[in-house]
Amino acid sequence: NAGVTQTPKFQVLKTGQSMTLQCAQDMNHNSMYWYRQDPGMGLRLIYYSASEGTTDKGEVPNGYNVSRLNKREFSLRLESAAPSQTSVYFCASSWTSGYSYEQYFGPGTRLTVT
Amino acid sequence: GQQVMQIPQYQHVQEGEDFTTYCNSSTTLSNIQWYKQRPGGHPVFLIQLVKSGEVKKQKRLTFQFGEAKKNSSLHITATQTTDVGTYFCANQGAQKLVFGQGTRLTINP
Repeated sequence: NAGVTQTPKFQVLKTGQSMTLQCAQDMNHNSMYWYRQDPGMGLRLIYYSASEGTTDKGEVPNGYNVSRLNKREFSLRLESAAPSQTSVYFCASSWTSGYSYEQYFGPGTRLTVT
Repeated sequence: GQQVMQIPQYQHVQEGEDFTTYCNSSTTLSNIQWYKQRPGGHPVFLIQLVKSGEVKKQKRLTFQFGEAKKNSSLHITATQTTDVGTYFCANQGAQKLVFGQGTRLTINP
């Protein structure tokens, strides 16, 4: 099993460009998440999807959109990139029923906006 | 979601010294998860604490959940260079986690 995969690994954008970050999981998890990580800021939740067909805003949703394409895939779109969106983006997935909500993270996408 | 404050933000130790990071909240936490992130890597789940006063051990790592469920700690005995990284606590809310800012541990071999 690959776990959680993310593409691309690295990306450089110019201000105003758009792009989509892809995420897929093969663990049959119902919930998926997008985080951004900036130095000294920990992990901040951008959007999450508790189940196929639903999405909800997290702590820092402005400037982003998401699509839960199916149970496996959850994409994050930047419509008009800004330098403030330079960050490392992590996708994660988990079960959210039962005892443990342990999250499994992908390897991350390192995005630079110039 | 309930905010969790993590201290210290940075800790540098000599190899073999002990290390502790603390996670605090002003309100009662539902449960706490701990994650480790190696430099350049992604967060990896370590453990979950659910019960008041719970103590769990993983080799040299000891995790505690406070009696009032308002704080938690991770203690590493006799650090090794493989312990380098950032340790995060996270409070489990409804369908999502709220992460602390993390404690970055560096070790002098």
